[in-house]
Amino acid sequence: DTAVSQTPKYLVTQMGNDKSIKCEQNLGHDTMYWYKQDSKKFLKIMFSYNNKELIINETVPNRFSPKSPDKAHLNLHINSLELGDSAVYFCASSQNPGPGNEQFFGPGTRLTVL
Amino acid sequence: TQLLEQSPQFLSIQEGENLTVYCNSSSVFSSLQWYRQEPGEGPVLLVTVVTGGEVKKLKRLTFQFGDARKDSSLHITAAQPGDTGLYLCAGFISNFGNEKLTFGTGTRLTIIP
Repeated sequence: DTAVSQTPKYLVTQMGNDKSIKCEQNLGHDTMYWYKQDSKKFLKIMFSYNNKELIINETVPNRFSPKSPDKAHLNLHINSLELGDSAVYFCASSQNPGPGNEQFFGPGTRLTVL
Repeated sequence: TQLLEQSPQFLSIQEGENLTVYCNSSSVFSSLQWYRQEPGEGPVLLVTVVTGGEVKKLKRLTFQFGDARKDSSLHITAAQPGDTGLYLCAGFISNFGNEKLTFGTGTRLTIIP
């Protein structure tokens, strides 16, 4: 019955590799997000999709490429991983992108780049 | 530049005490939310405040939105160990017609039994 799920939960990889994180929501929401939480617990938005269309793209390196095959899924592919990419990545969803909407977060994917 | 500064960054108090966490910014927000995050999990919404000066109560938690909609506070009465967690304020900023949620720096709260 998980509302927002992410896989994998943990990801350990070498610098230079390419990896993907998957996210699915079963809430029927139109909007999905990717956030990055650093070691100091600062949570920052990376991307937002509404009805499969990109609506927010923060200044994220183009090594990060989100893909939304349908409204229920938003995946994140990362090319040429760097040490600084190590963080916890959270997927979230909301009914729509308007202000005041509750965002439902997944459990996070802890990425460690060695 | 961090838009939303929270204070204190860390707070450790005894069970039964009261506490206040502050969230300050120079920006005006259309609305502001408070989330709580526990270790190994994603943040969970506690409250949304929309109107300047608004006060909302959630059991022992009282949330206030500043009159100018630039700041907010969270007051916990008679803290309990279950209140332990990372508290995050987050404000909505208009981003070319879309609203972007900007999170604060976080307050890590520990309640000692």
